[in-house]
Amino acid sequence: QLQLQESGPGLVKPSETLSLTCTVSGGSISSSSYYWGWIRQPPGKGLEWIGSIYYSGTTYYNPSLKTRVTISVDASRNQFSLKSSSVTAADTALYYCAGGETAYSYGAWGQGTLVTVSS
Amino acid sequence: QSALTQPPSASGSPGQSVTISCTGTSSDVGGYKYVSWYQQHPGKAPKLMIYEVIKRPSGVPDRFSGSKSGNTASLTVSGLQAEDEADYYCSSYAGSSNFEVFGGGTKLTVL
Repeated sequence: QLQLQESGPGLVKPSETLSLTCTVSGGSISSSSYYWGWIRQPPGKGLEWIGSIYYSGTTYYNPSLKTRVTISVDASRNQFSLKSSSVTAADTALYYCAGGETAYSYGAWGQGTLVTVSS
Repeated sequence: QSALTQPPSASGSPGQSVTISCTGTSSDVGGYKYVSWYQQHPGKAPKLMIYEVIKRPSGVPDRFSGSKSGNTASLTVSGLQAEDEADYYCSSYAGSSNFEVFGGGTKLTVL
């Protein structure tokens, strides 16, 4: 059973880069059986898809965030990461990493990590 | 503004059935079989309830069912229970340009 855990700073200054890591257990991040993604949720609001990555390393991003976001995999640590540059207060949200056995759906989620953008 | 449109709220009494809609376009919901539904209780991570329009992950009660007609997908919860009170989100594959999109969410209240 897949288990995911987000980690990273809870406070980021405006214009700096947000960096989060998702550690996966219960399955290999390099397996062709899985599909990985990042989703965020601003306080009191709905879910927003940030981007996804396949075992092959192919990535897909939300068009509205594409110029600022990078998702990558570190197979040696069974982790995948999110970097978002030039953050503003609008990037303040609960960030979830998620994975699944079928494309475009996420059967396993991390607990979420709150990232606040503030000086 | 979310790409997929859901009603902000829905409600029903215990034992009743309630249906939540998720309206998109032919470029997302109507064009692919990849519609998912998630349940989120306050302070918790979302939980996958339906994937590929009609499929239920192991462990999800068969009281939850999904369907699609044209550009609108639906989640039906039958035999409502108090524990079903939560926010529900739909999502869909949206092609190579937008890839994945979520609905704005529906708050389900069990009266």
